[in-house]
Amino acid sequence: ETGVTQTPRHLVMGMTNKKSLKCEQHLGHNAMYWYKQSAKKPLELMFVYNFKEQTENNSVPSRFSPECPNSSHLFLHLHTLQPEDSALYLCASSPTSGYSYEQYFGPGTRLTVT
Amino acid sequence: AQTVTQSQPEMSVQEAETVTLSCTYDTSESDYYLFWYKQPPSRQMILVIRQEAYKQQNATENRFSVNFQKAAKSFSLKISDSQLGDAAMYFCAAHNNNDMRFGAGTRLTVKP
Repeated sequence: ETGVTQTPRHLVMGMTNKKSLKCEQHLGHNAMYWYKQSAKKPLELMFVYNFKEQTENNSVPSRFSPECPNSSHLFLHLHTLQPEDSALYLCASSPTSGYSYEQYFGPGTRLTVT
Repeated sequence: AQTVTQSQPEMSVQEAETVTLSCTYDTSESDYYLFWYKQPPSRQMILVIRQEAYKQQNATENRFSVNFQKAAKSFSLKISDSQLGDAAMYFCAAHNNNDMRFGAGTRLTVKP
């Protein structure tokens, strides 16, 4: 275990549903990240939070809405998703968002949009 | 924006032998860090090894070592004495400022 947990581990949702992914880190880190991992594609960085402030949004569609209430928790709210949004969503954390720090990853949420 | 390229979608190695995974990157930054991450079939990504760009000495971690060629922007991973537990997806990553980029990954199979 790396100290980063994600729930749920698997999620199936219809295109009209609203759901949320949760990430929690127990490492005392101040930066948290959402990534999308699709088959045979590089990991795509979606959002970066540093000390609860969003510092990166890599042109992610508004149907993905992140929330970071504190440095230990990160949510990804989902609504009106498309089938192409089906992927593994990974959460990660690091001491800060500085580039010298390795990131610690959670196990991911496997999302299927039907 | 920086890019990271892993040209080997799949590699295989016999147990106890050595394998090298390739990675090239493109960045205009002078300060950056490079990482190799491993993602076993259980899906939890873990750090294998890291290299600071300003250090000329290649990083090593037990059976894992890198060949860092800064001028060529190459960062390959060598796994010595391969073990069955080394079977996984391996991702190369480059990080500067807030920009973390990953390659598409190399799937490593270890044959007993």
